[in-house]
Amino acid sequence: DAEITQSPRHKITETGRQVTLACHQTWNHNNMFWYRQDLGHGLRLIHYSYGVQDTNKGEVSDGYSVSRSNTEDLPLTLESAASSQTSVYFCASSETRLAEFFGPGTRLTVL
Amino acid sequence: AQSVSQHNHHVILSEAASLELGCNYSYGGTVNLFWYVQYPGQHLQLLLKYFSGDPLVKGIKGFEAEFIKSKFSFNLRKPSVQWSDTAEYFCAVNAASTGRRALTFGSGTRLQVQP
Repeated sequence: DAEITQSPRHKITETGRQVTLACHQTWNHNNMFWYRQDLGHGLRLIHYSYGVQDTNKGEVSDGYSVSRSNTEDLPLTLESAASSQTSVYFCASSETRLAEFFGPGTRLTVL
Repeated sequence: AQSVSQHNHHVILSEAASLELGCNYSYGGTVNLFWYVQYPGQHLQLLLKYFSGDPLVKGIKGFEAEFIKSKFSFNLRKPSVQWSDTAEYFCAVNAASTGRRALTFGSGTRLQVQP
């Protein structure tokens, strides 16, 4: 069955370190998204991509970057991790231009 | 900027009770509307969505939602809840006519169903 996987599922890192969260989907969807989930804020869009070599900033993109070199993967990089980036991160993909299928999430703690 | 309000942060019901969760949004143009569910320890799953057409939308697991444009609302309903419906529910809106690609999520409603 097609699916979205995220790795790692849990990560603890230190302030200032570079961190990359992986997202892999086998739906063959062109559209992929990264959201973060924080208490009291629901989910907020970080970055999104509508196809290979296409990336776009979402509403909370500062301190994050993505790259899209193939259809299946959209890794999210925190260039210099900050405590404010402690959160649960969800990757999603869709046939339409809106997130519909979510991955299991990565819980990131920045100390 | 558009916003999404979910009025009830925590709802407690007994099994077989009827459910209605409120969702209101602030954008006045064309919208796409979604309800997601997140079971404890799991990822978000799409319950139902509205893009156009019949404003009464039926989703999975017996859920439905009604889009009332004049009230800027998209309330989620289920006639008889089960213990397994215990989860957090998120409403999400996309302002389609702005060209923005993001979903704006509400802060969620935690539903607890008591056996």
